[in-house]
Amino acid sequence: QSVLTQPPSVSGAPGQRVTISCTGSSSNIGAGYDVHWYQQLPGTAPKLLIYGNTNRPSGVPGRFSGSKSGTSASLAISGLQAEDEADYYCQSYDNNMSGLDVFGTGTKVTVL
Amino acid sequence: EVQLLESGGGLVQPGGSLRLSCAASGLTFSTTAMTWVRQAPGKGLEWVSTISGSGGGTYFADSVKGRFTISRDNSRSTLFLQMNGLRAEDTAVYFCAKGALGAAHGLWGQGTLVTVSS
Repeated sequence: QSVLTQPPSVSGAPGQRVTISCTGSSSNIGAGYDVHWYQQLPGTAPKLLIYGNTNRPSGVPGRFSGSKSGTSASLAISGLQAEDEADYYCQSYDNNMSGLDVFGTGTKVTVL
Repeated sequence: EVQLLESGGGLVQPGGSLRLSCAASGLTFSTTAMTWVRQAPGKGLEWVSTISGSGGGTYFADSVKGRFTISRDNSRSTLFLQMNGLRAEDTAVYFCAKGALGAAHGLWGQGTLVTVSS
């Protein structure tokens, strides 16, 4: 049972903007720990999309952006494209759980 | 090229053991903390274990504590996960990833499948 909760699925038409929430608590996101985001295409390893709440690694398109406030974080995808259809996970650190390096429950993004 | 390559997965009976390896190349391995993450079929990502660059610090999820051991051979740039007392619920693809607890994991291996079944 993950301590970071994400919506199971979100969808949007090509060109639209979608957001994925990652809700934590005072022992992880709310404690000030960084949030990172990953994209996982079917049958492949996760790929780092956003690190340190808002930063994009080299090569990640600018339509992906991250934010954090209080005990939650969000990933936004602007100008949704067919290739963005994938699973997305948030990740942070938790100082009060058996799992110190915690991942979100995951969100499936569907491009309509 | 910077990459991680896992090996050692396979089919094992409940209660059995398996040792996974992760060979690193193109990075300064001895100063890099490393992590194992697993993904059960059709499920999400689950952190398993992390080891510091020197190997002096090791951390485990409660679900594997006492059964799994993480280690590294910095002379061979290789990370290991020794899995004992395997259970059906340990069935998953196991990924090795670069990075410490709570840090971004910017480099992942392709994963190796472990199946625990009689």
